[in-house]
Parts: sequence; structure tokens; C-alpha cells
Amino acid sequence: KNQVEQSPQSLIILEGKNCTLQCNYTVSPFSNLRWYKQDTGRGPVSLTIMTFSENTKSNGRYTATLDADTKQSSLHITASQLSDSASYICVVSGSNDYKLSFGAGTTVTVRA
Amino acid sequence: GAGVSQSPSNKVTEKGKDVELRCDPISGHTALYWYRQSLGQGLEFLIYFQGNSAPDKSGLPSDRFSAERTGGSVSTLTIQRTQQEDSAVYLCASSFDPRTGNEQFFGPGTRLTVL
Repeated sequence: KNQVEQSPQSLIILEGKNCTLQCNYTVSPFSNLRWYKQDTGRGPVSLTIMTFSENTKSNGRYTATLDADTKQSSLHITASQLSDSASYICVVSGSNDYKLSFGAGTTVTVRA
Repeated sequence: GAGVSQSPSNKVTEKGKDVELRCDPISGHTALYWYRQSLGQGLEFLIYFQGNSAPDKSGLPSDRFSAERTGGSVSTLTIQRTQQEDSAVYLCASSFDPRTGNEQFFGPGTRLTVL
């Protein structure tokens, strides 16, 4: 069973609107959680990283939250742009720092 | 180059043929990783290199898969006697010492199609 579950699997939003992606994980012990953005035909690129003690982290219009007690994270995209169309992947690092647990990703499509 | 590069970007092969996928990591990164990404699924870990040695090759799906790294830099993933289920995007990543929680930087991937 995958230790990182993401929802929704995909979503479509209109340009300028906001959206929130969810990530639930069971990885334990926990080291850090990253959100990656993967454009079509490209490799994933890190957007944010949060450790156990951090609740929120922003990167421009992207804001990630983390609740380490409930093992949940979210990624909020504000005022979406066409360039936000991509797959967003939640990645959790446990005690074994090189071996990451990947969610299946949420595909976001922003339409004009 | 500034980032991780992979070649070829696309590879179409016939079932039963061997293929070699290449990864050039970021200069100075001691750790290198190979992943497989299938449609609708999360990235699947294949193998991890620290320098030229592979402390963890537990993700290689069968003995048809092998990888090597030379000079602490370039790595090659070889798939022998390819099968249709090997069709996927193969991603390579590199980082500094992972024990310090360093970010993995990904290449653009090689899309492998086995006919």
C-alpha cells in the first residue's frame, strides 16, 4: 500500500481561481515533506519543503501546510495561471533520507 | 550543464531488445537515483548510488535491470530483453549527501516505449 495518498487525482480550474490539493501520509518516522511540480515532459521540481516543526511554507502563489499530528499536508494555489497546469506530487522523507515516498500526484489543468 | 541531463529523451524499441539509458548528474552531487514513473502512479524507486557504489538496489524489478556509475558521475541504466511492461518514463535524480536531507534534483526523464 502506498504510504502517500493524494487527492483529488485531477482537477480543472479557471484562470485566476484558487485551488487546494491534499496529501495524507503514513510514513513514520517522518523527516520532511516536499511538494514538487512536474510539467509535462519534464522532471519534478521542488516547490516547498517542510520539517516536523513547520506548519506553513510559501513560495510565491504556492502555500503548503503541514499537520504532523494528523499526517496531512495541503498545497494551495492562489490566483492560478495557465502555467500552473502540471502534476503536483507530494513527497515524504522518512528516517532513511535517500529513500523517498511519492504520491501519485494531482494533475491540475488551468483553463482561460 | 546546470541541471541533471538524461539521454535519450525518447526511446522506442522492440520487445526482446536491450536498451541503455544515460544520466549526467549535477556536478559535485555524490548521490544519484533512478526512478520509474508509470502513468497514474507515483515514482517507483529503482536504485541509489553513493559515489560509484550502489548501497541500495532493492527497487530493481528483475535481473534484467542493472545500473552502473563511473567516476562518481555518469550513470547508465540497462534493461535487457525488454518487455512491454517496461514501458514507462525513467527519471534520474542527483543530490549532495542525502543524510543531510538534501533536495533531489530531477532530470527530464527518458520515455521508453517497448513495442
